[in-house]
Amino acid sequence: GQSLEQPSEVTAVEGAIVQINCTYQTSGFYGLSWYQQHDGGAPTFLSYNALDGLEETGRFSSFLSRSDSYGYLLLQELQMKDSASYFCAVRDSSNYQLIWGAGTKLIIKP
Amino acid sequence: DAGITQSPRYKITETGRQVTLMCHQTWSHSYMFWYRQDLGHGLRLIYYSAAADITDKGEVPDGYVVSRSKTENFPLTLESATRSQTSVYFCASSGGDLGNYNEQFFGPGTRLTVL
Repeated sequence: GQSLEQPSEVTAVEGAIVQINCTYQTSGFYGLSWYQQHDGGAPTFLSYNALDGLEETGRFSSFLSRSDSYGYLLLQELQMKDSASYFCAVRDSSNYQLIWGAGTKLIIKP
Repeated sequence: DAGITQSPRYKITETGRQVTLMCHQTWSHSYMFWYRQDLGHGLRLIYYSAAADITDKGEVPDGYVVSRSKTENFPLTLESATRSQTSVYFCASSGGDLGNYNEQFFGPGTRLTVL
């Protein structure tokens, strides 16, 4: 079957660095995406990796290893506004469908 | 308003009633999606559309019907609502002139309660 695994909850301190991991098992692979969702809000796109390596966008970076079926989202200089749920999603076919992980709730303490 | 909008934002209905959730986007994105998100879970794809008059099933299509007669609109109909369809429904779109199909843009969601 197709599945994505990510931790259900991660806790970190304001100003610190946190890594949210995602492992996937899908029939095909066209890329790994990360989305942020605040409580009561809609998901918003953070990043997309189609090739191995690290993609950096400001305080957020995303990494992909296709050989390990693994990726992570790295958040630096954590701010209280980063408290949210983070979802990894895999595009497993050419029709732009996404398969979603269950999400990781990031709790940031002052 | 520019972007992607959903209506209604909140809906309470009774078991057995037909309900239609509306989704409208102003970007002329070719792809549109309907997801449901149950409390504390990820998103599950109900239906998607690659273009006007082209729709296909996602992971959980049973009990739902979609249509897409115009590029900008993608309504979702619950033919006979059941309590298990109580959820938050998100519409999303992707694609367009720049061809960025890997980013999905989400509407604000419709919170549906079936009594």
